[in-house]
Parts: sequence; C-alpha cells; structure tokens
Amino acid sequence: GESVGLHLPTLSVQEGDNSIINCAYSNSASDYFIWYKQESGKGPQFIIDIRSNMDKRQGQRVTVLLNKTVKHLSLQIAATQPGDSAVYFCAENIGDSSYKLIFGSGTRLLVRP
Amino acid sequence: DAGVIQSPRHEVTEMGQEVTLRCKPISGHNSLFWYRQTMMRGLELLIYFNNNVPIDDSGMPEDRFSAKMPNASFSTLKIQPSEPRDSAVYFCASRTGQSQPQHFGDGTRLSIL
Repeated sequence: GESVGLHLPTLSVQEGDNSIINCAYSNSASDYFIWYKQESGKGPQFIIDIRSNMDKRQGQRVTVLLNKTVKHLSLQIAATQPGDSAVYFCAENIGDSSYKLIFGSGTRLLVRP
Repeated sequence: DAGVIQSPRHEVTEMGQEVTLRCKPISGHNSLFWYRQTMMRGLELLIYFNNNVPIDDSGMPEDRFSAKMPNASFSTLKIQPSEPRDSAVYFCASRTGQSQPQHFGDGTRLSIL
C-alpha cells in the first residue's frame, strides 16, 4: 500500500529546465512499469511505460530509465513547462499477477515560471 | 477518442444512503478496474473485472460495497449503506490486456456527511 499525499516529496524546477523524478520499486519480480501524471481534480494519466527487458524508453519530451540492479525507475522530462506541474506516480506490475499495479507514493512537480 | 467516462463527477449524500457510481470503459478494452484514492492510503484497487467477470474483489472493504459489470461497456460500484469513512475519490480504469497500461477516468469525488 502506498500513500500519503500529505507528505508528498516535491520537486521544484525552473520552466525550461529538465526534471528528473525518481522511484524505487519493491519487487524484483516486477516486469512492467508505468509512469502516470495526475493533475488536480483529474485521474491518473498514462505518460510512458517500460518492460523489464529494456533499460530505456523515450517518448515525446519524456524518457524513462530502468535500473533493475538497484530496483530504480526514473522519469526525465525535457524542457519542463508549466503544464507539467502535477503529481507523478510510478507503478509496477508484478510478474505473477497480470493485472495488479503497485503504485508509488507520488512526487509533486512544481514548475516555476 | 473518448476515454473512460465516470459519473457523477461529484456526489454528496448523507450517511446511510445508497450510492451508485458508474463507469463506461474505453471501447474494446476487456479489463476494468475500480480504485479508491485517499490522502492517507493513496490509490487502492477495489475490484478487477476481465471480460465482464469479477476476478479479484479482495480489495472491496466490506459487504457494504458491491460492483457489477452487466456488459462490456458499463460497470457500477455501489455502497449501501454509505458511511463517512467511505468519503474518497473513486476511479475506474480500463485496459486492453496484460502488460498494457490502465487508462483512468477523472473519478467521482464522494462525500458522505
């Protein structure tokens, strides 16, 4: 179980800078990972995913890096914009369960104009 | 493209009343999920349907909660009788299959007075 909006870690970046959001996952059997963005009053929005047979995947302005050795996932956002301000969650799918996602506690990204 | 559609967006009712939340998954998605999000506990999976059949309801808090999926395009989550501790944001999500991202609706914000 995960949690705790009251104590969300916060990353504050200047508009135009790159952002890096980190996530430590718990289970070495996890084989699929997703990053979600959640804006106030909205549901989690899919950003990018990566499977465990990869260590890097790129999308539009976003890159996800996976380090299975230390069970670490990161989301890099290039040229951060005010519209990127949101809470970001990583989620892991454990291999023996084809449907259950374990969500991280989230990181709040604030973009300063 | 239409995403996952939830209704109502907001619901305020008195304890003891029956509450029904509705979800229309993305067309063609065969898996549907109901989640609850609170500040203290984050996102919790309540129930998972595959091809309209409930597969895992271990997250349903108690017998006051029930969920149905009468067809591939509609699901309901019902709370009867409702209690103040049920106050939360309830999300519905759907996906096409294993190792595919879940796509979330914008949720129902439920307040039980």
